[in-house]
Amino acid sequence: DSGVTQTPKHLITATGQRVTLRCSPRSGDLSVYWYQQSLDQGLQFLIQYYNGEERAKGNILERFSAQQFPDLHSELNLSSLELGDSALYFCASSLSGRDYNEQFFGPGTRLTVL
Amino acid sequence: AQKVTQAQTEISVVEKEDVTLDCVYETRDTTYYLFWYKQPPSGELVFLIRRNSFDEQNEISGRYSWNFQKSTSSFNFTITASQVVDSAVYFCALSGNNAGNMLTFGGGTRLMVKP
Repeated sequence: DSGVTQTPKHLITATGQRVTLRCSPRSGDLSVYWYQQSLDQGLQFLIQYYNGEERAKGNILERFSAQQFPDLHSELNLSSLELGDSALYFCASSLSGRDYNEQFFGPGTRLTVL
Repeated sequence: AQKVTQAQTEISVVEKEDVTLDCVYETRDTTYYLFWYKQPPSGELVFLIRRNSFDEQNEISGRYSWNFQKSTSSFNFTITASQVVDSAVYFCALSGNNAGNMLTFGGGTRLMVKP
């Protein structure tokens, strides 16, 4: 158990809908990262937050957004869902946003868009 | 741009065999870190090791060992005396001295250890 929690574990929804994925980092970690794992794209970095502020952005679609709250939990919002958004979404946390701390991953949320 | 290549998409071995998973990386950063993660069938990503670009010493942890060679931009992972529980997908990843701490992952190598 990495100490990172993600809810829900599974999510099934329809095209065009909007969903919110939630992540709680390990106790003491200030940085949260979101990654997407799909069959065609592999594991891709989406976005990073550090202590409430966006730190880095990767291949995140405009339909997707995220935020980190004062209690350091984070939410990833996916809207206007398409079939291709079906993937495993991981949240990871690290102590800080620099110094190449190892990132500890949550169990993931499996999103299925029908 | 950073890139990680794991040329072996799938490897199958018999229990107790040694197996090496290859990882080749590309980066223009002078300071960077390399990682290995394990993804068992249950799906979670488990951190295995972190190595910085200034430390080329090999590392051994039980049956696991890692060989970092800057000259060939490789960071290979060897499992000695493999066991069925080692069956998983293994990912090599790279983090450079960019604004954040994002990981660039390779495509992964699926290791199947048969009894």
